[in-house]
Amino acid sequence: SYELTQPPSVSVSPGQTARITCSGDALPKKYAYWYQQKSGQAPLLVIYEDNKRPSGIPDRFSGSSSGTVATLTISGAQVEDEADFYCYSTDSNNHRVFGGGTKLTVL
Amino acid sequence: EVELVQSGGALVQPGGSLRLSCVASGFAFSDSWMTWVRQAPGKGLEWVASIERDGREKFHVDSVKGRFTISRDNAKNSLYLDMKMLRVEDTAVFYCARDSPKGGFDFWGQGTLVTVSS
Repeated sequence: SYELTQPPSVSVSPGQTARITCSGDALPKKYAYWYQQKSGQAPLLVIYEDNKRPSGIPDRFSGSSSGTVATLTISGAQVEDEADFYCYSTDSNNHRVFGGGTKLTVL
Repeated sequence: EVELVQSGGALVQPGGSLRLSCVASGFAFSDSWMTWVRQAPGKGLEWVASIERDGREKFHVDSVKGRFTISRDNAKNSLYLDMKMLRVEDTAVFYCARDSPKGGFDFWGQGTLVTVSS
């Protein structure tokens, strides 16, 4: 079955840039999406179609994709950005998959 | 304002059955694909099932095929997940979500906890 691979954790100091990667064989042909999930809350879409930001998402959140790796970048990370982040995509058969999640610590 | 309000979570014994519901408002429900996603305690998100606009096409993750069934009633703006032969490993918070026209899921319900335990 298709898998998206993320690092379990990323840690940065406030104001630094955080980068979270997502690896998947189908990513060259399929869009990546990114979700932020804070403790006890439903997920929130922060990036869609690799690099687009929904209305209301701060512009410090950006996305990119190159080859088999999609990347979520948080420029100038803030303490309130601390959360679990999940990538999402589909495979060549349109099976839907989430990455395993990355815990972002900002301290 | 888009809203997805969930209900139906409960404590159920292994082998039991349960129906989850999700009532939508604030958008044209019949124009949207809908999806269920679950999250086991302390674990990541897992796609469970999706259903197309008129309900004819349905897709389920392999681990629930034959046990879970997604359905919808467009007249009631409602999405359902019928679960039978529940297992301890099905214990999770279940979320309903709207499929965005641009892919992914743009709106989520508040989640409902299903606990399978004797």
